[in-house]
Amino acid sequence: DVKVTQSSRYLVKRTGEKVFLECVQDMDHENMFWYRQDPGLGLRLIYFSYDVKMKEKGDIPEGYSVSREKKERFSLILESASTNQTSMYLCASSDHPTDLYEQYFGPGTRLTVT
Amino acid sequence: AQKVTQAQTEISVVEKEDVTLDCVYETRDTTYYLFWYKQPPSGELVFLIRRNSFDEQNEISGRYSWNFQKSTSSFNFTITASQVVDSAVYFCALSEARDGGSQGNLIFGKGTKLSVKP
Repeated sequence: DVKVTQSSRYLVKRTGEKVFLECVQDMDHENMFWYRQDPGLGLRLIYFSYDVKMKEKGDIPEGYSVSREKKERFSLILESASTNQTSMYLCASSDHPTDLYEQYFGPGTRLTVT
Repeated sequence: AQKVTQAQTEISVVEKEDVTLDCVYETRDTTYYLFWYKQPPSGELVFLIRRNSFDEQNEISGRYSWNFQKSTSSFNFTITASQVVDSAVYFCALSEARDGGSQGNLIFGKGTKLSVKP
């Protein structure tokens, strides 16, 4: 089974802190994604990566950065956390785009910024 | 621009009732892909189905069925004889094909929360 793990299920940080959210997948997938999920807004793509050291902005990249130094790991970084970044963060991975394009999701990290 | 609309924010049914979750999409491309995901209370999204724009055949998988109609830009999801374990948030998503026929990123609807009561 594909497994996508996220470093924390729940995280509480203070405004202005630098926050790292880690995601690891064990299926040698090429593509990895970070979304945030907010009530009434669904899932919105923050950043994605199609290869190691490669990243592309999604729909809402402001206030975030990412790092992909190894194929299995994709990190989301909040340089200076703000209260409007309180949200559920979901990581996903998928194989190289083919006809079988399923994204496999991790359990999510619920981040609260106070 | 791509857009996915799930007009039903919340639906509540009693166990064994049939329920249909609506999904309407917008895209200018002729080649695209549609998906349904389930998010149970545990939080992890689970892939249910993928459909490409050239395949309008309806699909049935156990108690689940999907009705894809290009004429109305809809990809509706029906659960027959619902069960309490079906309680979850269901997301419809759209992906347009990129150059070369591969798939682009997913655009999600806002989700429909289904509550199935015993």
